[in-house]
This record gives sequence, C-alpha cells and structure tokens, in this order.
Amino acid sequence: QVQLVESGGGVVQPGRSLRLSCAGSGFTFSNYGMHWVRQAPGKGLEWVAVIWYDGSKKYYVDSVKGRFTISRDNSKNMVDLQMNSLREEDTALYYCAREGSGAFHLWGQGTMVTVSS
Amino acid sequence: DVVLTQTPLSSPVPLGQPASISCRSSQSLLYSDGNTYLSWLQQRPGQPPRLLIYKISNRFSGVPDRFSGSGAGTDFTLKISRVEAEDVGVYYCMQATQFPHTFGQGTKLEVK
Repeated sequence: QVQLVESGGGVVQPGRSLRLSCAGSGFTFSNYGMHWVRQAPGKGLEWVAVIWYDGSKKYYVDSVKGRFTISRDNSKNMVDLQMNSLREEDTALYYCAREGSGAFHLWGQGTMVTVSS
Repeated sequence: DVVLTQTPLSSPVPLGQPASISCRSSQSLLYSDGNTYLSWLQQRPGQPPRLLIYKISNRFSGVPDRFSGSGAGTDFTLKISRVEAEDVGVYYCMQATQFPHTFGQGTKLEVK
C-alpha cells in the first residue's frame, strides 16, 4: 500500500551524527518532492528540509543549515537526512512527508532522535 | 519567516456542535502562480499528522465533509460543522508559499 517508513533514529551524544532514512512504497516516488518535519516532545510541528522530486533543489530551516543534508535515491525510493553536529534541541520525532499541491499528503509514523549526554 | 498565529489555542466543544479555528499569517500567502498554499492538518493523540485541507479550501481524499476551509491573503479558517468524538486532537495550519515552510502553534480540540 501507499506508505512512508522512517528508520535510523536513536540516542546520540551532542556533537555526534545520525542518518535517517525514509522508504516510500506504493507510489511513483520519483514524481514527488519529499520533506522532513520534526516534533519535539510535547511541542508543535517544525519543518526541517525539502528535496525536489529530481534532487535538483534543496532547502533547509535556518537552525539546521550547514549541519543537516537531505538527499534521495529514486532508484531505491529512499530519502535520507544526514544530521551532523547534533544538539540537544534537535531531539524530536522526525517525520518524512510527501508533497502534493503544496501540502503534505502522506506522512510516515516517524523515527525518534534523542540527543543527550 | 512567515509566522502563523492560531486562535484559539484550546477549544472545548460539545459533541455535535460546530467548531472554528483561525489562522492568521504575518504575510500574504498568495504565491506568484495564483495559488495560496495554506493547508490544515489534524494530529490525533499518538498519531502522525493527517492532511485535511489544502490550498485553503480543498478537502483531501477521505476527509469528511463536515470539515471545511476558507479565507484569503492572510486570514484563514477551519470549520467543523458538527464535532464528533473522533475529532479530538491538535489542529495545525501550515504554509508552503515560502521557505521555510511554517506551521501554526496548534489548536487543541477537546470534545465535551
């Protein structure tokens, strides 16, 4: 069925790195822009990054610029988020989301990232 | 960055009664292509967000018709005509007109 499944979360010390992955299935992955959105415990939603359907453009929220990198492999129906120099304020549930008509039509269940010493 | 301000932040609504949530933007959300990329999402407890409305007033597939969206420019509204028990959760507006995309703070809907 049509779904997104995130993986790669875990507990990591400040300053370390983590790589999140999101696998899409049930749809033509290469047709869609893909986003990462995060939600700190008990807080609201924060948009993190987007990658164009063909990987040609990428945008980030200022708080992660220079530390996070979004990438995709359309042959594997995957989008990744490489997170370097992690900070405690990056602790959150990370969702990947598929874009359609300027909205997020499809969401994964999320993968939890905890940054703590 | 575009700031989205939702009111109220909490809304206890009797079962079967209407509910309304406002979302005000710090800038016009009208894009150069003529579209306004303002959407509404619902997040039930323990669940990922779910799209309800996109481009102000378009109901997403499978969304009950008791949900409706309206507005233009900087002022937008989500209405639920008759609240049901399954509508409990947090509702967010989101803009995708500009980067970074931004969300409202969320409105917690409680059914009483």
